[in-house]
Amino acid sequence: DGGITQSPKYLFRKEGQNVTLSCEQNLNHDAMYWYRQDPGQGLRLIYYSQIVNDFQKGDIAEGYSVSREKKESFPLTVTSAQKNPTAFYLCASRISARGQPQHFGDGTRLSIL
Amino acid sequence: ILNVEQSPQSLHVQEGDSTNFTCSFPSSNFYALHWYRWETAKSPEALFVMTLNGDEKKKGRISATLNTKEGYSYLYIKGSQPEDSATYLCAFNSGSARQLTFGSGTQLTVLP
Repeated sequence: DGGITQSPKYLFRKEGQNVTLSCEQNLNHDAMYWYRQDPGQGLRLIYYSQIVNDFQKGDIAEGYSVSREKKESFPLTVTSAQKNPTAFYLCASRISARGQPQHFGDGTRLSIL
Repeated sequence: ILNVEQSPQSLHVQEGDSTNFTCSFPSSNFYALHWYRWETAKSPEALFVMTLNGDEKKKGRISATLNTKEGYSYLYIKGSQPEDSATYLCAFNSGSARQLTFGSGTQLTVLP
């Protein structure tokens, strides 16, 4: 089945630790995105990538980093510089053409211990 | 940061009622408007992507309209069913951007 796989589903982080959230897609989509959701708020864009080896900051990139070494994979690292990392994180991908929707993974919930 | 607003924030309706919600977005530099349905414990699912002023799209009992000149889109659900209970998100794509700006969603609860 084609789709987007995010792992793990739940993740716990100690203060001062970096953690990496995985996002893999087998849809052959060029573009991939990372969003963060907090209670009562919409999805906010952290980073996005239109092609391999290229990515752009979204609205809330501070304290996060990404890489796009393969078309299928777009991992997100939450660094210790992110002061309020507790949130729900969604990964998405899409065909880079007008009128094409985004396809989403099931999300990762990150909590601070 | 672009401003995309959805109203109401939440809505409770009885089974069989018809309902509608609004998405407001900037009226300049329009490229596309997306609607997604997000059920609890699932991933968001695309309903419609609308690109032309005056567009009307339909999927079963759900339909959407688009007015790019005044910057709004309506989502209608006819004869709501409990399985329609979800958060409905709209997202705006401006011509200069390669990313979507999401509204905060309308949470619909359909009571049996």
